[in-house]
Amino acid sequence: QQQVKQSPQSLIVQKGGISIINCAYENTAFDYFPWYQQFPGKGPALLIAIRPDVSEKKEGRFTISFNKSAKQFSLHIMDSQPGDSATYFCAASGGNAGGTSYGKLTFGQGTILTVHP
Amino acid sequence: DGGITQSPKYLFRKEGQNVTLSCEQNLNHDAMYWYRQDPGQGLRLIYYSQIVNDFQKGDIAEGYSVSREKKESFPLTVTSAQKNPTAFYLCASKTTVSGANVLTFGAGSRLTVL
Repeated sequence: QQQVKQSPQSLIVQKGGISIINCAYENTAFDYFPWYQQFPGKGPALLIAIRPDVSEKKEGRFTISFNKSAKQFSLHIMDSQPGDSATYFCAASGGNAGGTSYGKLTFGQGTILTVHP
Repeated sequence: DGGITQSPKYLFRKEGQNVTLSCEQNLNHDAMYWYRQDPGQGLRLIYYSQIVNDFQKGDIAEGYSVSREKKESFPLTVTSAQKNPTAFYLCASKTTVSGANVLTFGAGSRLTVL
């Protein structure tokens, strides 16, 4: 019940296209859903995050869409650029396994995004 | 610059040897974490520490040990009991921004068992 399932495992997009990465969760007590971006040889860095009281959050070219009833959320990257090529992780925290205050995140499996010029 | 420093960046180990990965932070964060990253499996929590001299097992603690004697330091020891130790190890610390928890990660240590 603590799993977060992420798809696709890899994604290839042309420059200027839209990249879409999907995640699904089971634990309805999760109350915080961040996305992390990781470049090769580096640690992940927070990209954007959402709480379940809103259905969408946009920051520049990055948008999270959240569907509470379906227990799904997705990352949309508009006008994808070669510099966006990285691994993206969705995550969730909260619930019985430690609570939001512990910062104990459950991560998805990751998506390797490649944007061709 | 504030951040998390992990060392070494690359480490090779023979089977049966223990190794210790260093993690130092100058962010003044109380909570620190160790994650293991394997291809296609995301990040899995090994150990975490909310405060000095206290730490808790994560989801895959078997074969690992940690200590938290100082706020700035959270070293991870990969023992010979860890059956498949080859992986990329990430250390993180936590802060709270507008009520939300944000993890800051180090650049990672890649361990290869020969």
